[in-house]
Amino acid sequence: EAQVTQNPRYLITVTGKKLTVTCSQNMNHEYMSWYRQDPGLGLRQIYYSMNVEVTDKGDVPEGYKVSRKEKRNFPLILESPSPNQTSLYFCASSTGREQFFGPGTRLTVL
Amino acid sequence: AQSVAQPEDQVNVAEGNPLTVKCTYSVSGNPYLFWYVQYPNRGLQFLLKYITGDNLVKGSYGFEAEFNKSQTSFHLKKPSALVSDSALYFCAVRDDTGGGNKLTFGTGTQLKVEL
Repeated sequence: EAQVTQNPRYLITVTGKKLTVTCSQNMNHEYMSWYRQDPGLGLRQIYYSMNVEVTDKGDVPEGYKVSRKEKRNFPLILESPSPNQTSLYFCASSTGREQFFGPGTRLTVL
Repeated sequence: AQSVAQPEDQVNVAEGNPLTVKCTYSVSGNPYLFWYVQYPNRGLQFLLKYITGDNLVKGSYGFEAEFNKSQTSFHLKKPSALVSDSALYFCAVRDDTGGGNKLTFGTGTQLKVEL
């Protein structure tokens, strides 16, 4: 089954404790991206990747890092999480015309 | 720069009545337009898209959307609403001028269908 998977689905952590949210797709897509969803703001792009070892900032990259060492994986790294990063996070991969979204990761930073 | 506006935070409709969720957009080139739906505690589900061709696009669950270039709109419609259609709906756009596959989303419209 073609899909985008994210782990963990739910995470509660404390300020400053480094965390990684994994994302994996099995559709051989070159393009992957991360979004965060906040009430009243819709989805905003954090980072995207056009291919392996090619990443770039989206609209709200501050406080986040990404890497793309393999085509299928695109982890989101929060080196020092802060409460304003409490949000719902979505990973997506794309054919070029349509994006496929993961199930989301709800992150709470205390 | 590309942008999307969903002017209504919430739309209320009685079951069986037609529904419309509005979306307008702005892009540099030609638009690729999308509607996604999000049910409570779920991810985003693709409903339909306009890339090129017929202005009326039919999608999942009986939804359709009409692309209107002159009004830069892509309103989502359904002839007869169901209570189960109650969800959060997002319009999204990207342009075809390159620069990656970045999607820009609207802020979402909460659809509430009541008996």
